[in-house]
Amino acid sequence: AQSVTQLDSQVPVFEEAPVELRCNYSSSVSVYLFWYVQYPNQGLQLLLKYLSGSTLVESINGFEAEFNKSQTSFHLRKPSVHISDTAEYFCAVSDPGSARQLTFGSGTQLTVLP
Amino acid sequence: DTAVSQTPKYLVTQMGNDKSIKCEQNLGHDTMYWYKQDSKKFLKIMFSYNNKELIINETVPNRFSPKSPDKAHLNLHINSLELGDSAVYFCASSHSNQPQHFGDGTRLSIL
Repeated sequence: AQSVTQLDSQVPVFEEAPVELRCNYSSSVSVYLFWYVQYPNQGLQLLLKYLSGSTLVESINGFEAEFNKSQTSFHLRKPSVHISDTAEYFCAVSDPGSARQLTFGSGTQLTVLP
Repeated sequence: DTAVSQTPKYLVTQMGNDKSIKCEQNLGHDTMYWYKQDSKKFLKIMFSYNNKELIINETVPNRFSPKSPDKAHLNLHINSLELGDSAVYFCASSHSNQPQHFGDGTRLSIL
């Protein structure tokens, strides 16, 4: 069975500073990788995804993640965060053959401080 | 608005009761899901239906019974509610192997 490890449960960072949220997965086969964001009292929203192709994927609000097969990682980065980025971030993985079966990490609470 | 919508948003009830949570999607997706998010925000899939057929059924007590009357609806019925059922339940939908879209959740509190 696949598993996802998000090493940091909480990441506080000052506004306009860079941030990296770490995600590692355990799988020896091809995977699909996702980052979802959850704002307070809301559902999860897809932030970005890696299905195939370029290993660097970007979102419309400045986040990017890089698929690193050798390190089985999919870390999320943003060069300059805003207060509005404060949220819970979930990394998820699925087998391409059964992309409906998502396995989520335990989440990272990003808190952006003024 | 196109969305995954679930009702109710909040549900407070007593142990032993039976309750249902409804989910509807108007995105034209063929697959729907139920997830449980516990107090530590850990998310785990419970069920998935594709074109009204059950395709994922994780280890969930049989007090939980999903029902899909059509492709756009997946309801969750829970019998004999227990304290440990307190959680946020999320409905989601997707088309084939595309990323899943989530509802805003139903916060279930058992007294």
